[in-house]
Amino acid sequence: NAGVTQTPKFQVLKTGQSMTLQCAQDMNHNSMYWYRQDPGMGLRLIYYSASEGTTDKGEVPNGYNVSRLNKREFSLRLESAAPSQTSVYFCASNPQGLKTQYFGPGTRLLVL
Amino acid sequence: GNSVTQMEGPVTLSEEAFLTINCTYTATGYPSLFWYVQYPGEGLQLLLKATKADDKGSNKGFEATYRKETTSFHLEKGSVQVSDSAVYFCALSRYNNNDMRFGAGTRLTVKP
Repeated sequence: NAGVTQTPKFQVLKTGQSMTLQCAQDMNHNSMYWYRQDPGMGLRLIYYSASEGTTDKGEVPNGYNVSRLNKREFSLRLESAAPSQTSVYFCASNPQGLKTQYFGPGTRLLVL
Repeated sequence: GNSVTQMEGPVTLSEEAFLTINCTYTATGYPSLFWYVQYPGEGLQLLLKATKADDKGSNKGFEATYRKETTSFHLEKGSVQVSDSAVYFCALSRYNNNDMRFGAGTRLTVKP
């Protein structure tokens, strides 16, 4: 099993450009999450999906949209990137009934 | 709201030294508590957890005890190795994974 995979690993954008971060898990988990990691702030939840077909906002959803394409895939879209969105983005998933989250390797995003 | 405060780093130790990373929390009721570890270039991995007061989580020589009276969950290891060099995150979850709160992270470097 590959676990949680994310693409791309690294991306540079100009202000105003758009992009989609991809995440997939092969563990048959129902719930999936997108976090951002900023220095000195730990991880903050952007959006989550408790099950296929549902999505909800987390702590810091502004400027982002998500799509739960199917049970495996959960994408994060930046419609108009801003320098404040420079961060490392992590996708995670967890099995039903357990609080342990499994994380992908992260996407490092730089917005100029 | 629920939050986690962990000691600021970075922490630099010599191999075989004793490690303590402090973590305190603010939460209503009885949250579950976690320590996650992030090795260079990777996503977070669960290191250990405790779900009720006085529980001790342990894994790979690391231990942490859920102390309700001091609202703490300090991470300890008796003898660190170079391979323990990583960033350590304390986290709590009150109800479900949607309310997971992470500390800012503590970077540990172990020198031979």
